[in-house]
Amino acid sequence: KQEVTQIPAALSVPEGENLVLNCSFTDSAIYNLQWFRQDPGKGLTSLLLIQSSQREQTSGRLNASLDKSSGRSTLYIAASQPGDSATYLCAVLISNFGNEKLTFGTGTRLTIIP
Amino acid sequence: NAGVTQTPKFQVLKTGQSMTLQCAQDMNHEYMSWYRQDPGMGLRLIHYSVGAGITDQGEVPNGYNVSRSTTEDFPLRLLSAAPSQTSVYFCASSYSSVPYEQYFGPGTRLTVT
Repeated sequence: KQEVTQIPAALSVPEGENLVLNCSFTDSAIYNLQWFRQDPGKGLTSLLLIQSSQREQTSGRLNASLDKSSGRSTLYIAASQPGDSATYLCAVLISNFGNEKLTFGTGTRLTIIP
Repeated sequence: NAGVTQTPKFQVLKTGQSMTLQCAQDMNHEYMSWYRQDPGMGLRLIHYSVGAGITDQGEVPNGYNVSRSTTEDFPLRLLSAAPSQTSVYFCASSYSSVPYEQYFGPGTRLTVT
């Protein structure tokens, strides 16, 4: 059974710092890995998707990497801003006899201190 | 496009009552799914559908029913609500092809008393 872990559960950093969020998964047979942002009381917003054949994806100040062999992904946020405060979730997509299933980590709650 | 929409946003039920959470998408996605989110447990898959007329169980299906009569709609039914079903429910959809990017609705916050 696929298990996804995100450590730490919570992180506080001063504004302007660069930071890295970690995601690890137990089964490397994945289709893709997706990073989401969730604001309190809100839904999930997709940030980046890395396909299994890719090593990284970038969007603005965000860069996500994927190392399937070691079962790890990182989300790098450059020059953090208070508006980046949110919970960040990673999820891996696997296929089971043609049925695709997404398994989520429990998230990292990020606080950017002004 | 409206994307993935969910109604209602909030709902309070008494134990034993039934209700249907609505989910609709206008992106012509084949794949739709329902998750529940509980503190400390992340999002867990309840039911999913790979197309109209096809549904299957996820990780936590007990107490929930689904059907998919159209590509656009995927309602989730609680037949007899229990306090353990207090949670936030999210609907998601995607194409059934690479890159399988998932799009989520805004969620329904359900409280069962």
